[in-house]
Amino acid sequence: DTEVTQTPKHLVMGMTNKKSLKCEQHMGHRAMYWYKQKAKKPPELMFVYSYEKLSINESVPSRFSPECPNSSLLNLHLHALQPEDSALYLCASSQEGTGAANTGELFFGEGSRLTVL
Amino acid sequence: DAKTTQPNSMESNEEEPVHLPCNHSTISGTDYIHWYRQLPSQGPEYVIHGLTSNVNNRMASLAIAEDRKSSTLILHRATLRDAAVYYCVGGSQGNLIFGKGTKLSVKP
Repeated sequence: DTEVTQTPKHLVMGMTNKKSLKCEQHMGHRAMYWYKQKAKKPPELMFVYSYEKLSINESVPSRFSPECPNSSLLNLHLHALQPEDSALYLCASSQEGTGAANTGELFFGEGSRLTVL
Repeated sequence: DAKTTQPNSMESNEEEPVHLPCNHSTISGTDYIHWYRQLPSQGPEYVIHGLTSNVNNRMASLAIAEDRKSSTLILHRATLRDAAVYYCVGGSQGNLIFGKGTKLSVKP
């Protein structure tokens, strides 16, 4: 199983809603990532979890709250989002955690397309 | 700073080789150079990575300049399924910074 599964594939929410994006992998990877991708732009790193601990937060606003309940699951909790937060949210995983010594590839899911009204 | 620079777009004919360039003049000595590609409506897909030596795998080859300030992704025989955005990616693993990408079009 070399898949990263993201749900839901599409999500529409109002600015006052609370919703969550979910990501799951069963490859035994110990690092998991959230990226944000706007249309026709490259993915931008948001958060990195390494061995279930948050290791990188790229100055993401607090209306985005990540959670890593166990090594296979990664959630992104959304609250009080703005229309400019509409984007494709990509989850990825890799074998090891952060650091230059880790040269392993990232496995990406297909993303959750979020629209904030 | 792991910033990378790529051409916005390139065109290729089917069955011909494609050379996709990337400049990364500020890459640190220990950061690998990664390439990913993204097909429409999909997440990015790993292509190849390397540090100093040229690398080959079943998908592509990566030629890295001796001074490591640039690299070239080589697709030996482009197919229609290779039409995608190709990202040259710098930074240390776990903190990869995607370049703006090159949109590759393949003509039959």
